[in-house]
Amino acid sequence: AQSVTQPDIHITVSEGASLELRCNYSYGATPYLFWYVQSPGQGLQLLLKYFSGDTLVQGIKGFEAEFKRSQSSFNLRKPSVHWSDAAEYFCAVAAALLNYGGSQGNLIFGKGTKLSVKP
Amino acid sequence: NAGVTQTPKFQVLKTGQSMTLQCAQDMNHEYMSWYRQDPGMGLRLIHYSVGAGITDQGEVPNGYNVSRSTTEDFPLRLLSAAPSQTSVYFCASAQTLSSYNSPLHFGNGTRLTVT
Repeated sequence: AQSVTQPDIHITVSEGASLELRCNYSYGATPYLFWYVQSPGQGLQLLLKYFSGDTLVQGIKGFEAEFKRSQSSFNLRKPSVHWSDAAEYFCAVAAALLNYGGSQGNLIFGKGTKLSVKP
Repeated sequence: NAGVTQTPKFQVLKTGQSMTLQCAQDMNHEYMSWYRQDPGMGLRLIHYSVGAGITDQGEVPNGYNVSRSTTEDFPLRLLSAAPSQTSVYFCASAQTLSSYNSPLHFGNGTRLTVT
């Protein structure tokens, strides 16, 4: 069965420091992978996605992620964190729906990593 | 530009009561879905719809009903609320199931407490 593991529940970094959030997935075929961010009281916003091709993908807000098939990982990075990046981050893999297939019908989410930023 | 609108934002129910969580989108999206978010669990798919008149079950459908009579609306019904349904509910929509150029748009959620 498909699954996503985010090993870090909570991470604190200083403003201006670099950030890496870890994500490991389990999926038999070529995965479609996503990173979402959730600010308190808000819905989820898509940061970036990987379908195929270049394994380093760029997203919004200066984030990037690297797909490593050999490690089943899709880690999110940012070179310099801003206080406004404090939020919860979710990694997800798309699992085909039973009757329809499709590439995002059923997103399997990790449990999330909460990011705190120290001034 | 409203996007995905969920109402209400907060709701408290007693066990056994029924209610409907509303979801509307103004982007003419074919695909709509409901997720629930529980602490330490991530989000899990409850029901989804690929178009008006077509719905199907997700990972955790028990205790919930849906219908899709129009493209814009996708209400989620709790027929007899249970404490296990205390959660934050998110509605999401996308132009199609294929997400390459059609990312999921999420609403801001409905926080439901069942006592």
